Order: sequence, then C-alpha cells, then structure tokens
Amino acid sequence: DVVMTQSPLSLPVTLGQPASISCRSSQSLVYSDGNTYLNWFHQRPGQSPRRLLYKVSVRDSGVPDRFSGSGSGTDFTLKISRVEAEDVGVYYCMQGTHWPPLTFGQGTRLEIK
Amino acid sequence: QVQLVESGGGVVQPGRSLRLSCAASGFAFRTSGIHWVRQAPGKGPEWVATISNDGSNTYYADSVKGRFTISRDNSKNTLYLQMNSVRAEDTAVYSCAKDFRGGTHFWGQGTLVTVSS
Repeated sequence: DVVMTQSPLSLPVTLGQPASISCRSSQSLVYSDGNTYLNWFHQRPGQSPRRLLYKVSVRDSGVPDRFSGSGSGTDFTLKISRVEAEDVGVYYCMQGTHWPPLTFGQGTRLEIK
Repeated sequence: QVQLVESGGGVVQPGRSLRLSCAASGFAFRTSGIHWVRQAPGKGPEWVATISNDGSNTYYADSVKGRFTISRDNSKNTLYLQMNSVRAEDTAVYSCAKDFRGGTHFWGQGTLVTVSS
C-alpha cells in the first residue's frame, strides 16, 4: 500500500500570511496514463471533507485561487497564499493512483495564531 | 445538483449486522463507480470499498474484507454497504463518495455507526 506522509501535523498561521503543507508518498504517483492522481481535501469540524485540488494542481469549482498545488513523483505541496479565517480545519492529501486501497495522509491541522 | 444521502446508521452490538444505504441523485448514477469511506471519531478518512458502475467489480480494504459487502441497485440509484460481524473499531461516520480522480467529485454527509454493547 502507498503510505502518504504529511508535514507539519500542526500549522499555526497568522491571518493574511502564507501557509504550506507537504505531502510525500512512499512511491511515485504517476499513473500509466501520464496523470498523477494526488488530491487535497479540507475538512471543517462536523463536515465532510471537501476536495480542493485534484491531479496535483487542478482546483475544484468554487475553490479560491489562493489555494494552489504543486509537485511531482513523490513530493507534493499545498500552498495558501494568504490565510483567511475560513481556512481553519484539517487538510488531507490522498492518492488515487495505486489502488486499491485509496490512501490518505494523517492530516494537518491549520489554526490561526 | 449532485446529492449523496446516507442512511441506516445507528448503535449495533459487536458481532451483529447493519446495512447502510446511499441514495444518489443529480448525476448519471449507472455510469459511475462509487466508494464507501469512513472516518472514526477524531481520525482521518479511511477508504472502505468501491464498486464499479455495473456492479461487476468490487474492492475492499483489508480491514473489512470478508465482513462487509458493497452492492448497488441502478434501478433505484442506490448504493449499499452490508456490514456483518461488526467490531468496536468499525465505529465511524460512513459516507459514500464519487469520482476521487476526476472533476466531478462529491462526498456525502455520512451516517454514524456506533458499535457498542
């Protein structure tokens, strides 16, 4: 199984400042069709996770452009250019290349300083 | 708009059975593979099972293989999860979800299953 490792696990950020979360996979996430199936999710308390990005860097509909994704192979990054209050919660990366099983990272909790 | 509405959760004793349902609307259900995912209290999401659009292929997490069965009724736009021999570690919110890889992802709100004597 592909293991997804996120860092940091806790991320205190000042409003208006940038934030960055790293996600590393135990093997390359490049699929045979050339795509890299790496997603990022955001979860607020009491809600289901909401997908922000898929295929590393494609934003889902309605996701603000302050969210961006980058990376390749086994190393990926989620960046928030300027953190807003609504961005608090837990962020998860997830791989859909080598499945079953689909696997998630441990989560990164973002809080406002 | 896309809707996935889960039902059937509740409190169940260890070793007993429970069947969850997921009612789908707003998209072409019969052409979509669908997943069950779960999230234990205070934990991250865990993939549970997947079924292909026509039900001919199913996949399970090792933690539920042999105990859970995923199925679907395309005439009713409904997905099911039959949970047998449940354990305390199966306690979680169970959600159905579609299209993790592509551009039409949706994740339902979930139904809580509590395994307790």
